[in-house]
Amino acid sequence: DIQMTQSPSTLSASVGDRVTITCRASQNINSWLAWYQHKAGEAPKLLIYKASSLEGGVPSRFSGSRSGTEFTLTISSLQPDDFATYYCQQYNNYPSNFGQGTKLEIK
Amino acid sequence: QAHLVQSGAEVKKPGASVRVSCKASGYTFTDYYIHWVRQAPGQGLEWMGWINPKTGDTDYVQRFQGRVTITRDTSISTAYMELSSLISDDTAVYYCARDAYVAPFLVLWGRGTLVTVSS
Repeated sequence: DIQMTQSPSTLSASVGDRVTITCRASQNINSWLAWYQHKAGEAPKLLIYKASSLEGGVPSRFSGSRSGTEFTLTISSLQPDDFATYYCQQYNNYPSNFGQGTKLEIK
Repeated sequence: QAHLVQSGAEVKKPGASVRVSCKASGYTFTDYYIHWVRQAPGQGLEWMGWINPKTGDTDYVQRFQGRVTITRDTSISTAYMELSSLISDDTAVYYCARDAYVAPFLVLWGRGTLVTVSS
C-alpha cells in the first residue's frame, strides 16, 4: 500500500498568515491527490482534487501544488473559518488512503 | 442540491453487528459510487470500501474483508454499510461519501454516524 506522510501534525497560526501543509507519497501517485477540510461534528469538505484543481465554491486563498511525490496545500491568508483539520488522500493506487491529518490551530 | 443523510447514532455490544444507512437526494443515485470512511476517536480518516449503486458491485479494504458488507436499495436511493463482529476499536464515526464519477475523490459527504461499541 502507498503511505501518505502528512506534516506537520499540528500547526499554530494567526489570522492573515500564509500556511503550508505537506503530504508526501511513498511512491509515484501522479497528480491523483485530493485535499479535504474537516471540522469537528461536520462532514469533511473537498477543497482540491488532482493536486491543484480547486473544487467549485472553495475560496481562491486555497491552492495545491505538486513536486514529484510531494504535495502542498497552501492557504494564502488565513481566515477564522479556516481553523480545522486538513487531510490529503491519494487515489492513484488501490486502496485509496488518507494522510494522518494536520490540525490547524489559532495561535 | 445534493445531500447524503445518514442514520442516527448506535450503541452496540462487542460481537454484535451494526448497519448504517445513507440516503441520497438531489442527484441520480446510480450515477456515482458511494464510499464508506470511518474516523476513530483521535484518529484520522480510514477508507473502508465502496459500492457501485448501478450494478451493486463492491470492493472492500483488506482489513475489513469478511466483516463489512455494503449494499444498496436503488428504489429508495439508499446505501448501507454493515459491520459485524464488532470490537471496541470499531468505535468511530462512519461517513458515507459520493465520489466524482471520473475518479474516487469524495465530492459529497454525509455528516457521519457515531457507532459506539461498549459492553
